[in-house]
Amino acid sequence: QLQLQESGPGLVKPSETLSLTCTVSGGSISSRSYYWGWIRQPPGKGLEWIGTIYYSGSTNYNPSLKSRVTMSVDTSKNQFSLRLSSVTAADTAVYYCAGRQNYGSGRYGVDVWGQGTTVTVSS
Amino acid sequence: AIQMTQSPSSLSASVGDRAIITCRASQDIRNDLGWYQQKPGKAPKVLIYATSYLQSGVPSRFSGSGSGTDFTLTISGLQPEDFATYYCLQDYEYPLTFGGGTRVEIK
Repeated sequence: QLQLQESGPGLVKPSETLSLTCTVSGGSISSRSYYWGWIRQPPGKGLEWIGTIYYSGSTNYNPSLKSRVTMSVDTSKNQFSLRLSSVTAADTAVYYCAGRQNYGSGRYGVDVWGQGTTVTVSS
Repeated sequence: AIQMTQSPSSLSASVGDRAIITCRASQDIRNDLGWYQQKPGKAPKVLIYATSYLQSGVPSRFSGSGSGTDFTLTISGLQPEDFATYYCLQDYEYPLTFGGGTRVEIK
C-alpha cells in the first residue's frame, strides 16, 4: 500500500527558504499512474494546491507561488521535494505531500496523502 | 485559474439526515471534479473522483453528480463519522483548485 511521509524543519525564518521532502513507500515514485504534489493549509483555512511533479521531472506550479517554488524528484531515493523561497508569515501552514492517480480515461483522484507537517514562519 | 465556489460554507444536520453540498466552477470543467473529506488534524481523503465515481472503500451513502460547471455531493443518511469538512477539487486544468470547504456539523 502506497504511503507518503513528509519531513523537514518545522520552523523557518522570514525571508529564508522552506524545504520539505516527501518519501514514497510501498510503491515506486516512477509509477506512470501517479503525479506527485504539494498542498498546503494555513491554520483554520482551506486547501491550496502548490504544484505537481511527474517522475520524469516535469512540473506545474500554482501561478500564485510560481516565482518562489521549485519542486524536484529523486527516483533513486523514492523522494520528491519542495522548496519555497522568501517565506513570510503567510506561508505558515500544514504542508501535505500527495499522489494524484490517473485511473485511466481521463479520470484522476488524489488518493494518497502524507500525514502533513506543520511549518511555522517566524523569527 | 478556475474558481470553485462551494456552498454552503457550513451546515447543521442530524444523524440520518441527507446532506447536499454544491460546487460551481467558473468555467466548464467537464466531469473533472472530486470530493474530499477532512477531519480535524487529519489529511483529506478522497470520496468521489471524476464527478461520480466512488473511491474504493467509501460507503455508498456518498454520491456525486453534475457536469460542466455545477456539481453536487450528496450524503444519504448522515452517520456520526461523516461530521467533517468537505472540499471539492477541480482537476480539469492546472492550477488545480479547491472549493472553500463545507463544514458539516451535528445539529
